Amino acid sequence: GEDVEQSLFLSVREGDSSVINCTYTDSSSTYLYWYKQEPGAGLQLLTYIFSNMDMKQDQRLTVLLNKKDKHLSLRIADTQTGDSAIYFCAVWGAGSYQLTFGKGTKLSVIP
Amino acid sequence: DTGVSQDPRHKITKRGQNVTFRCDPISEHNRLYWYRQTLGQGPEFLTYFQNEAQLEKSRLLSDRFSAERPKGSFSTLEIQRTEQGDSAMYLCASSSSDQPQHFGDGTRLSIL
Repeated sequence: GEDVEQSLFLSVREGDSSVINCTYTDSSSTYLYWYKQEPGAGLQLLTYIFSNMDMKQDQRLTVLLNKKDKHLSLRIADTQTGDSAIYFCAVWGAGSYQLTFGKGTKLSVIP
Repeated sequence: DTGVSQDPRHKITKRGQNVTFRCDPISEHNRLYWYRQTLGQGPEFLTYFQNEAQLEKSRLLSDRFSAERPKGSFSTLEIQRTEQGDSAMYLCASSSSDQPQHFGDGTRLSIL
């Protein structure tokens, strides 16, 4: 089945850019998502990209997709303390209804 | 748009008891999903409904678990004879056709 990998921790200074990386195994993946989870809460959809796109920008968020390497990244510009949370990469493959998630990257923003 | 609503937010029960969780999806969404999330892990898929039909079940969904969506609106997830390993956050999500899934805040289950 699909496997999604993320690094577990990232620490950045307030005002810097954060880059969170994700790799996946299923080349038939059609949609790729980034969700944010704050302590004790559910998952908030941040952004997503369709597999025929290379890049998507949404305000401070930039998603890059390298289909050849099966690599997805999320860049957060001008990172703020409110961005501290766990970020999950999730993949939706063709012919399946389920999302496959990575273990999440805990982003810590240092004031 | 009131978002996905889950009830209760927290449930503490003794091992061996039955528990039931409820999920109210976003009103126009025809698809509903249940996931389970344990500490330090990403959510894992449990089951999927399109309207009232349960179309996909994970092998994680043992015979002690049952889910329903009787009228294609709200859904319930029941766990019978709970075990320590059932302690987790149970997340519900909904979507409209192939649109992104939107999640509720989850029900945290603790087994004593």
